[in-house]
Amino acid sequence: EVQLLDSGGGLGQPGGSLRLSCAASGFVFSNYAMAWVRQAPGKGLEWVSTISSRGGSTYYADSVKGRFTISRDNSKNTLFLQMNSLRVEDTAVYYCAKDPYYESTGYYTDWGQGTLVTVSS
Amino acid sequence: EIVLTQSPATLSLSPGERATLSCRASQSVSTYLAWYQQRPGQAPRLLIYDATNRATGIPARFSGSGSGTDFTLTISSLEPEDFAVYYCQQRSDWPPFTFGQGTKVEIK
Repeated sequence: EVQLLDSGGGLGQPGGSLRLSCAASGFVFSNYAMAWVRQAPGKGLEWVSTISSRGGSTYYADSVKGRFTISRDNSKNTLFLQMNSLRVEDTAVYYCAKDPYYESTGYYTDWGQGTLVTVSS
Repeated sequence: EIVLTQSPATLSLSPGERATLSCRASQSVSTYLAWYQQRPGQAPRLLIYDATNRATGIPARFSGSGSGTDFTLTISSLEPEDFAVYYCQQRSDWPPFTFGQGTKVEIK
């Protein structure tokens, strides 16, 4: 059974940093592209970033480009999102999501439970 | 960036009724469109991909249709667990992958 366990959320200061993690199990992590998708309180879904299976290709939404960095450690079956220069509008539940292919298809067959990031002074 | 517009915003129906949800794209996405269901307090779940294909384990009462700019998600007979928010998403022209704003299916 695929399991994705998101962690690392919490309260961040405007201009500050947070690092999210997603621990994966139940599948061969290194064979699949992964992504982060966020949802602001009471709002819809917003794609944030995608990384290919080996980490060689990364993509970002314009809203986070230059501030967030997606990465993965295939030896530890873990996905990361380094979030710098945080803004109030980054407040959201962040979900890690599994793509069904080694390169991104943009379809997400499995999701973590989400981790809440609140940016406030 | 491709904008997806879903309608209606809210659909009020009774269990057993048929639900028809619409998603319109600002430009053609061919059939590169997915539908997700999100129940309160839960992560989204993939229902339909490539406009018409049901994801693994999705009941047959869920079906998708359409191509180009106009798409429909149909739930043939609503079960109690189907009352949720539904999102469409395109992967035709990315980045970014974009989602619609959602349609809430509520109990009448």
